[in-house]
Amino acid sequence: GAVVSQHPSRVICKSGTSVKIECRSLDFQATTMFWYRQFPKQSLMLMATSNEGSKATYEQGVEKDKFLINHASLTLSTLTVTSAHPEDSSFYICSARGRMNTGELFFGEGSRLTVL
Amino acid sequence: GDSVTQMEGPVTLSEEAFLTINCTYTATGYPSLFWYVQYPGEGLQLLLKATKADDKGSNKGFEATYRKETTSFHLEKGSVQVSDSAVYFCALGDSGNTPLVFGKGTRLSVIA
Repeated sequence: GAVVSQHPSRVICKSGTSVKIECRSLDFQATTMFWYRQFPKQSLMLMATSNEGSKATYEQGVEKDKFLINHASLTLSTLTVTSAHPEDSSFYICSARGRMNTGELFFGEGSRLTVL
Repeated sequence: GDSVTQMEGPVTLSEEAFLTINCTYTATGYPSLFWYVQYPGEGLQLLLKATKADDKGSNKGFEATYRKETTSFHLEKGSVQVSDSAVYFCALGDSGNTPLVFGKGTRLSVIA
C-alpha cells in the first residue's frame, strides 16, 4: 500500500528557534499533501493544502509566515515552524493523496513538537 | 459546507463486547466515506471505506455501511479486543485537491 513517512517523529527545541518537519511519499507520487495539527483533545485541524510546485493554501487562522510549507517535489513536502513558541507545541501530521486518486488520504506517523 | 458528526467518547468496553460508534454526515454531492484509526502516539491509518451508497466497508472485523437515506456510516465490531483501543475518526471526502472532513474522533478503551 501507499506509504507516507514523516521525520522527525519527536523534536524538542528552544523557544525562538525554527523546526523543519519532512513528509515523504515513499512509493507513490503525491500530487497533493495536507498538513494537520492535532490538539490534546484529539481533534484534527487542517492547516494547509499544498500541491507540487505551487504555493500552499492555508486555512483561515493559520499564519503562513509562521508555518512555512514547501512542496518542492512529488514525493516531499516540508513544514517549517518558524520562531517556535511553547503554544506551537503539538502533534503535526501530514497526509498525501496520489495520482491514483481514490479519495483516501495516506498519513504519516506524525511529529510531536515540544517547544521549551 | 460538508461536515461529520460522530459520537463523543470516551467509550469504554469490556473485551468481547459489541461496538458501535455512530457517525452521520452532511454533504453536497456524493462523497466517499472513511473510518480512520489512530493508535497511541501514531498517525492515522485507514480502517475501511465506502465509495457509494449501500457499499459496506470491512476490515479487521470492523464494518460500516454507507447509508444515504440516513446519511450515516456507523462503525461496528462484534467482539472488541484490548488491541482495538485507539481513537477512531469518521471522515468524508472526494478525490482531487479537497481535504477530508473529519469528525472529532472517538476514543475507545477496551479492558480485559
